Amino acid sequence: AQKVTQAQTEISVVEKEDVTLDCVYETRDTTYYLFWYKQPPSGELVFLIRRNSFDEQNEISGRYSWNFQKSTSSFNFTITASQVVDSAVYFCALSEPNSGYSTLTFGKGTMLLVSP
Amino acid sequence: AAGVIQSPRHLIKEKRETATLKCYPIPRHDTVYWYQQGPGQDPQFLISFYEKMQSDKGSIPDRFSAQQFSDYHSELNMSSLELGDSALYFCASSRWTGGAMSNEKLFFGSGTQLSVL
Repeated sequence: AQKVTQAQTEISVVEKEDVTLDCVYETRDTTYYLFWYKQPPSGELVFLIRRNSFDEQNEISGRYSWNFQKSTSSFNFTITASQVVDSAVYFCALSEPNSGYSTLTFGKGTMLLVSP
Repeated sequence: AAGVIQSPRHLIKEKRETATLKCYPIPRHDTVYWYQQGPGQDPQFLISFYEKMQSDKGSIPDRFSAQQFSDYHSELNMSSLELGDSALYFCASSRWTGGAMSNEKLFFGSGTQLSVL
């Protein structure tokens, strides 16, 4: 079973639209980390956020915000007023105690296309 | 700020050849990780090292080996290359600060694009 599910394979929006990328995870552990990474066309993986399982407070960073809901095992990512530069593949990832929290299990990624 | 450095950026090899990928972690980071990302795929964990010892092992083929050196840089050695080894190989680093849930966020390098012809 997929531990991290990103059901949206590709999303297309027009600039200035808000967009939410969904992430649902599966774990039996009570302590774990969740991550979001951005992979632009140039290929590098850019760290966006890390959240531990005990911190359900939503976070906002500029145009980015994250909604962590343990009750639904979801960690969704919203981009407000999207821009063309936001076009990238976005990966949600999970780390668990069995690896000392050190290794990441990635979702399949969501490709976001923002057109002018 | 210094980031994770990977070299080479691109590498072209033929089947059955060998390849060595290098990774230089962020200064003061003691843990390195290797991930493989096939075309259109999500990154898959290969192997990790903490303080020069292998700390975890994922889906790394037996044809691959890796090590972490005294200066904390790491090398991924790949032998008998196959067409299916063509992928983007990422190295990541972090600093372990002790105790559960205390590892810092993982920073990735820009990756090495390996093409096997």
